[in-house]
Amino acid sequence: AQSVTQLGSHVSVSEGALVLLRCNYSSSVPPYLFWYVQYPNQGLQLLLKYTSAATLVKGINGFEAEFKKSETSFHLTKPSAHMRDAAEYFCAVSEGGSYIPTFGRGTSLIVHP
Amino acid sequence: DVKVTQSSRYLVKRTGEKVFLECVQDMDHENMFWYRQDPGLGLRLIYFSYDVKMKEKGDIPEGYSVSREKKERFSLILESASTNQTSMYLCASNARGSSNQPQHFGDGTRLSIL
Repeated sequence: AQSVTQLGSHVSVSEGALVLLRCNYSSSVPPYLFWYVQYPNQGLQLLLKYTSAATLVKGINGFEAEFKKSETSFHLTKPSAHMRDAAEYFCAVSEGGSYIPTFGRGTSLIVHP
Repeated sequence: DVKVTQSSRYLVKRTGEKVFLECVQDMDHENMFWYRQDPGLGLRLIYFSYDVKMKEKGDIPEGYSVSREKKERFSLILESASTNQTSMYLCASNARGSSNQPQHFGDGTRLSIL
């Protein structure tokens, strides 16, 4: 069975600081991994996805994530936070053969001026 | 641009009413999903459908039903609305056999049951 843990329900950073949002997963087979972003009063939109190609995945808006099999992690980073990055971020995992992903509980990113 | 459209952004209903939430996608996707989102609980799957007239229960189907009469449309029905069904409801879709493909989401319906 697959599961996802996002460490920290809230992460607070200053504008211009590094963003690090943590995601750990469990899966019995090589997983597909996703990060989604949800801006206030909107649905989720895809930031990036890992599908067993390069372990470092680049997404939209300057975000990237690194797949580390040994650590079962897929942490999301951005070198310099911007006010517009304030949103809810969700990590999701999907196993081969299943089209139903499992979502983490989300991390709210707060960006201070 | 691909699109998942939910018929209402905000909806207020009364306890005991039958409530319909509609979702339409224009991507010819086979799979469609209904989630509810509550603070601290993330997304919880209510029902999903992998084809017309097919439906499967998700993690929290109690008090809900669904209808998929056409490929592009997936409706969520609250048979007799209760206050604990006040929530944000999100519809999503993706293509069949695509565990490596992301879901596409609508903007959500914020439902209040009074």
